[in-house]
Amino acid sequence: QSALTQPPSASGSPGQSVTFSCTGTSSDVGKYDYVSWYQHHPGKVPKLMIYEVNKRPSGVPDRFSGSKSGNTASLTVSGLQPEDEADYFCCAYAGVNNYVFGAGTKVTVL
Amino acid sequence: QVQLQESGPGLVKPSETLSLTCSVSGFSITSGYYWGWIRQPPGKGLEYIGIIYQSGNTYYSPSLESRVSISVDTFKNQFSLKVNSVTAADTAVYYCARVHVAEWDYWGPGTPVTVSS
Repeated sequence: QSALTQPPSASGSPGQSVTFSCTGTSSDVGKYDYVSWYQHHPGKVPKLMIYEVNKRPSGVPDRFSGSKSGNTASLTVSGLQPEDEADYFCCAYAGVNNYVFGAGTKVTVL
Repeated sequence: QVQLQESGPGLVKPSETLSLTCSVSGFSITSGYYWGWIRQPPGKGLEYIGIIYQSGNTYYSPSLESRVSISVDTFKNQFSLKVNSVTAADTAVYYCARVHVAEWDYWGPGTPVTVSS
């Protein structure tokens, strides 16, 4: 299966909101409510930010929220902070213990 | 705190076998969950490689399953990846991670592997 499609970049000023997408197919994003999002600062360990489309692990600020419509999932970061500048990639379950990832969106805080 | 750490050669010759190990601390592999490998080629997105359960059951990406194998050593609390007949296309940063339900909740920092003669 093909990788999930993410915009290469997104940006916003401190305090603003930024939303970016993750587009898959009816076999992955559209079929299962198992979309997750990860924050990756270069050189550091990727961090799970959202799972099962819109659930936040303990410790993740509520400024981060996820949603899904059809074959497209989205991540919104509200009240942007400098530390939010990172790469964000999505992952979707594609059935039979198979997964597909996106190429990532680089978020810049202006 | 669950921690994972990848280890293995950073340089592999074409046609040879790439071997990596993921050491897990702070959590026993025998306590459940799937454990897996993901890679990121230079300038590209992440690619799912495969996962293994404590029992040894494995699932691989259809695009890689003819060349990869994942094994688990419960005594050492480690799991390993082998990729056979490597080419330059296998050059990537390789990550190990734990799968919780259907999300990857703990990751290693990643280890770069270059395929070159």
